[in-house]
Amino acid sequence: DTGVSQNPRHKITKRGQNVTFRCDPISEHNRLYWYRQTLGQGPEFLTYFQNEAQLEKSRLLSDRFSAERPKGSFSTLEIQRTEQGDSAMYLCASSLGTGFTEAFFGQGTRLTVV
Amino acid sequence: DAKTTQPNSMESNEEEPVHLPCNHSTISGTDYIHWYRQLPSQGPEYVIHGLTSNVNNRMASLAIAEDRKSSTLILHRATLRDAAVYYCILRKGGLGAGNMLTFGGGTRLMVKP
Repeated sequence: DTGVSQNPRHKITKRGQNVTFRCDPISEHNRLYWYRQTLGQGPEFLTYFQNEAQLEKSRLLSDRFSAERPKGSFSTLEIQRTEQGDSAMYLCASSLGTGFTEAFFGQGTRLTVV
Repeated sequence: DAKTTQPNSMESNEEEPVHLPCNHSTISGTDYIHWYRQLPSQGPEYVIHGLTSNVNNRMASLAIAEDRKSSTLILHRATLRDAAVYYCILRKGGLGAGNMLTFGGGTRLMVKP
């Protein structure tokens, strides 16, 4: 499968714990995006990387959230001190190029904070 | 940021055409109109996009009003696999434009056999 891969697919954690999600974009895609989606809502943009540089961050991305993309390949999204409000689907997408190209989304990681 | 308005839900019969409307009355001259859809338990999937002219691809057609304040996604023959939430999104173009997609609530399309 050469699509966007996200791991794990599901994560249940206790409030206050740290969690880390991984996204493997389509090979050679230089752009990578993270979104969050709560039940019944459309996805909300969190952050964007072009190669290894994090170029945009949403105001939704609080200090407890951090994203990295070392070497411009895979990316990780870490949430520290999780809260129940962090429960959501976390989606990763990638695209190629400098102008507009379509974004390809992964299937997401569903986080449940109990 | 310019906003889009879509009906919450629509129903269609299988093998009939479907017209999904989107209003974007505050669209600016550099905004592109994108459509994505999200099947159950999947991430969103690109459908089509356009700026001013109508567009066709293997999945759908996009009809853009002359004043660009509205657009319509056309599925020519709906199948059960087209049942999904369809999002109409405005994306800024031009140098220095952002790269994120701002999703609204979308239209949930139900297809009846």
